[in-house]
Amino acid sequence: SFVLTQPPSVSVAPGQTAKITCGGNNIESKGVHWYQQKPGQAPVLVLYDDGDRPSGIPERFSGSNSGNTATLTITRVEAGDEADYYCQVWDNTSDHFYVFGPGTKVTVL
Amino acid sequence: QLQLQKSGPGLLKPSETLSLTCTVSGGSISSGGYYWGWIRQPPGKGLEWIGSIYYSGSTYYNPSLKSRVTISIDTSSNQFSLNLGSVSAADTAVFYCAGHLGNGAVDYWGQGTLVTVSS
Repeated sequence: SFVLTQPPSVSVAPGQTAKITCGGNNIESKGVHWYQQKPGQAPVLVLYDDGDRPSGIPERFSGSNSGNTATLTITRVEAGDEADYYCQVWDNTSDHFYVFGPGTKVTVL
Repeated sequence: QLQLQKSGPGLLKPSETLSLTCTVSGGSISSGGYYWGWIRQPPGKGLEWIGSIYYSGSTYYNPSLKSRVTISIDTSSNQFSLNLGSVSAADTAVFYCAGHLGNGAVDYWGQGTLVTVSS
C-alpha cells in the first residue's frame, strides 16, 4: 500500500510561514488532501486536490505537489493554527483505498 | 449542510463485535456523489481509514482490516453502519463516521467518540 511520511513536528513564530511536507513515491501523480485537527475535535478539511480550499478556509492556507513531496503552506501564522495536520491520498492502485499520513504537530511559539 | 450523528457502545470486551451506526441528516444518503465511511484514531495516534460504502451498496475496505469489517447502508433510514468483529485492545480508538468524495476528501465528519475494548 501507499506510504506517506510527515515530520512529527513543526514550530513557527506568529506571523511567520509554516511549511508541512507530505512525502510519498511519485505523490505528484495523486491528489493530496490536508486536514487540521485540534485537540478533542474532529479533523477539518483545509485543502483538497493539492491546493483547493473548501469554503470558509482562509487564503493563508495553500498547497503544492511536485515529485515525491506535497506541501501545505500556512502564511501569517496565528495562534489558532496550532494543531495536528494530516495529509491524505487516494491510493488508486488498491481500489478505493484511502491513506493518511502520520500527522505533523504544528506549534506556534 | 449535512450532519452525521454516530451511535453505538463505548465499551466492549475482547472478541466481541463492535457495531456503530451513523445517521445522516440535512440531505439524502442516496443523493449520489458521496461515499460514507468510517475512520478511527487510537488515543494519541493518527487517523486510519476503515472502509466506505456508496449508496449503491458498493463497499471498499482497508486491506489490513478487511477480514473483520462489514459496512452496510440503509437508504430508507438514511443510515450506514460498521461492524468490526473479534475486537481486541488494539481496536480501542475514537471512531468517526464521515462523508467523502470519491477522491477521499472528507467534507463531513460525525462526532468522534471513544470506543474502549477492555476485559
